[in-house]
Amino acid sequence: DVKVTQSSRYLVKRTGEKVFLECVQDMDHENMFWYRQDPGLGLRLIYFSYDVKMKEKGDIPEGYSVSREKKERFSLILESASTNQTSMYLCASSARDLSGIEQYFGPGTRLTVT
Amino acid sequence: AQKVTQAQTEISVVEKEDVTLDCVYETRDTTYYLFWYKQPPSGELVFLIRRNSFDEQNEISGRYSWNFQKSTSSFNFTITASQVVDSAVYFCALSEELIDKLIFGTGTRLQVFP
Repeated sequence: DVKVTQSSRYLVKRTGEKVFLECVQDMDHENMFWYRQDPGLGLRLIYFSYDVKMKEKGDIPEGYSVSREKKERFSLILESASTNQTSMYLCASSARDLSGIEQYFGPGTRLTVT
Repeated sequence: AQKVTQAQTEISVVEKEDVTLDCVYETRDTTYYLFWYKQPPSGELVFLIRRNSFDEQNEISGRYSWNFQKSTSSFNFTITASQVVDSAVYFCALSEELIDKLIFGTGTRLQVFP
């Protein structure tokens, strides 16, 4: 079974703190993603990565950065957390087969910035 | 631009009722993939189904069925004889052929009452 794990289920940080959200997948997938989920807005893509040290901006990259130093690990960084970054953060990895792509999600990290 | 619309924000039904969740998508690609995910109260996204744009066959899996119609750009999801355990938020998503990132709808919250 594919497993995508995230370092924390719940996190509380103060405004201005630097925050690291870690994601690890164990299926040797090339592609990894960070989404943010907010009520009424669905999931929105923050950043994604097709390979080690490669990154691409998603739809809402402002205020975030990412790091992918190893294939299995994709980190989301909030350089200076703000209250409007309080949200649920979901990591995913994906693979392709003959039928198309399949994206596997981690359990999510609910971040509260106070 | 790609877009997924789930017009139903919330649906409430009584157990054993049938319920259909609507999904309408927009894309200029001829090859694309459609997905449904379930998000129970625990928060983890559970993959339900994927469809590629060349496969318009309807799919049935137990009490779940999906109706894909390219003519109306819709990919609707029906739960037959709903159960309390079906209570969740359901997301429809779209991805292009060459890019694995998913574009999500805003989700439909389904509440099934006993």
